[in-house]
Amino acid sequence: DAKTTQPPSMDCAEGRAANLPCNHSTISGNEYVYWYRQIHSQGPQYIIHGLKNNETNEMASLIITEDRKSSTLILPHATLRDTAVYYCIVKNQGGKLIFGQGTELSVKP
Amino acid sequence: DGGITQSPKYLFRKEGQNVTLSCEQNLNHDAMYWYRQDPGQGLRLIYYSQIVNDFQKGDIAEGYSVSREKKESFPLTVTSAQKNPTAFYLCASTSADRGGNTIYFGEGSWLTVV
Repeated sequence: DAKTTQPPSMDCAEGRAANLPCNHSTISGNEYVYWYRQIHSQGPQYIIHGLKNNETNEMASLIITEDRKSSTLILPHATLRDTAVYYCIVKNQGGKLIFGQGTELSVKP
Repeated sequence: DGGITQSPKYLFRKEGQNVTLSCEQNLNHDAMYWYRQDPGQGLRLIYYSQIVNDFQKGDIAEGYSVSREKKESFPLTVTSAQKNPTAFYLCASTSADRGGNTIYFGEGSWLTVV
């Protein structure tokens, strides 16, 4: 199964870009990468997902390396409400969702 | 509106009792999942199902059981064999294809052993 690795915690100044990395070096060619965030043990909230190309939506950008072994979630202008645990997820060919341990992002004023 | 619903939100169990957590979705998703989360920890996969009447063990299936008799329902039973069941439980669903479809999560159920 693909495995994802994330740093346990990161800090970011309010208004600055937050760049959250994820390593998924064993990902297969047709396995998607998803990013979700979780606040206070609520249900995780969808952010973005991608396969090969970089993706952008109203919440964030997703940069996937050419070899697809890692990706970076970018929150362009972090606010205090972006403080949460961010999960990188790979959906493998068997349908299993592989979660990383998550990165606890603290946005500070 | 389509979505995924877990119930109950809070549940207390006496030691030695089995309890069942409900997960229902009206998204026509084939794949459904159960995760356990302990305080300050990540999500660990208990069971998942790609199709009706079929399911697979995840990483921590011992002490748990599931059924998938209907496409929209994937109940999780926490049995008395689960020695430390106090945790937050999350249900998820998505399409069973290769990917590219949003994964939906329920709001979770808190189980406490008293």
